[in-house]
Amino acid sequence: DSGVTQTPKHLITATGQRVTLRCSPRSGDLSVYWYQQSLDQGLQFLIQYYNGEERAKGNILERFSAQQFPDLHSELNLSSLELGDSALYFCASSAIRDYNTDTQYFGPGTRLTVL
Amino acid sequence: DQQVKQNSPSLSVQEGRISILNCDYTNSMFDYFLWYKKYPAEGPTFLISISSIKDKNEDGRFTVFLNKSAKHLSLHIVPSQPGDSAVYFCAASAMNRDDKIIFGKGTRLHILP
Repeated sequence: DSGVTQTPKHLITATGQRVTLRCSPRSGDLSVYWYQQSLDQGLQFLIQYYNGEERAKGNILERFSAQQFPDLHSELNLSSLELGDSALYFCASSAIRDYNTDTQYFGPGTRLTVL
Repeated sequence: DQQVKQNSPSLSVQEGRISILNCDYTNSMFDYFLWYKKYPAEGPTFLISISSIKDKNEDGRFTVFLNKSAKHLSLHIVPSQPGDSAVYFCAASAMNRDDKIIFGKGTRLHILP
């Protein structure tokens, strides 16, 4: 158990809809990262927040957005969903802000299926 | 364009033997490399890392070797155990740049009894 929790575990929705994925980092961790893992891709970094502020941005679509709240939990919002958005979405957390070298602890993931 | 490549989607190794997982990268700015291990239905877990100032880093049964001139790294697991069966992701980053970590697509390791 990494200490990172993600809800929901599974999500099934239709094209055009909007969903919110939630992540609670390990106790004390200030950084939260979001990743997407689809069948034909490795883990794709989407975005990082550190202590409420956006820290680094990866391959995140404009239809996607995220935020980190004062209690440090984070939400990833996916809108105008397309079939290709079906994937596993992982959240990870780390203690500090150094995205490149800090060990990240991953949650169990949310499996999103868009029908 | 894949900057981090794990060309073997899967690998089978006899229990007790050495498992060698390979990873190639194309970006010469990468100077920090990590390996993550992932079991089904779980998130990846950090395994071992190496910075480009070293060519080897060892942690118990796990050793990572880095060949900068060949832009190649490998993870050695000796001896392989049944619990090592998992997907292994190689990742790379540039420490002094505000760039993202790039992950490979993973190699599924099967440890055979």
